Amino acid sequence: TQLLEQSPQFLSIQEGENLTVYCNSSSVFSSLQWYRQEPGEGPVLLVTVVTGGEVKKLKRLTFQFGDARKDSSLHITAAQPGDTGLYLCAGVVPGANNLFFGTGTRLTVIP
Amino acid sequence: DTEVTQTPKHLVMGMTNKKSLKCEQHMGHRAMYWYKQKAKKPPELMFVYSYEKLSINESVPSRFSPECPNSSLLNLHLHALQPEDSALYLCASSLKAHPILIETQYFGPGTRLLVL
Repeated sequence: TQLLEQSPQFLSIQEGENLTVYCNSSSVFSSLQWYRQEPGEGPVLLVTVVTGGEVKKLKRLTFQFGDARKDSSLHITAAQPGDTGLYLCAGVVPGANNLFFGTGTRLTVIP
Repeated sequence: DTEVTQTPKHLVMGMTNKKSLKCEQHMGHRAMYWYKQKAKKPPELMFVYSYEKLSINESVPSRFSPECPNSSLLNLHLHALQPEDSALYLCASSLKAHPILIETQYFGPGTRLLVL
């Protein structure tokens, strides 16, 4: 079983549309990170959220950490083809020495 | 500078070969990680080094042998691999490994390995 489940698994939308990706768990996390990965490349960090209820904005991307620190969402406004990629959430469990990755959401933005 | 570099970018090897993957960071991070990522799957942790000492081995077969010569370098020595070991091997680093509270991991671009 996966510690972090992402939904949807695949998403194909037209340029200009809005979308939301969800990252859910029954575990509490000290922090949660969002990465974007392009084929054949390493994950690139987008944001780290730490405080329950925290909202961070990065241009057209809005990240939210759930109040209970068990879930997170990524909202993209007016998606562009350059947003295409694999979006991964990853959480740090208190006291753990590693990062648990979510199942991933593969986004395709069609021009 | 938040860069983690990995060499080579691509590697093809036979099942009897011995090869090494290299990872380098100059951010002063004291934790370094090896991950394996199969196609269309999230990265899976293999090893964690904290202050140049191996702190986590996620039951990785002995044909994978990590080495941390100093705080900036991390190697992964490969010997007698199997075709199913073909994957993208990612290196990452963070400021420290234990205890992790809010540490962010920075990833390298990966080495794409093909075992024939």
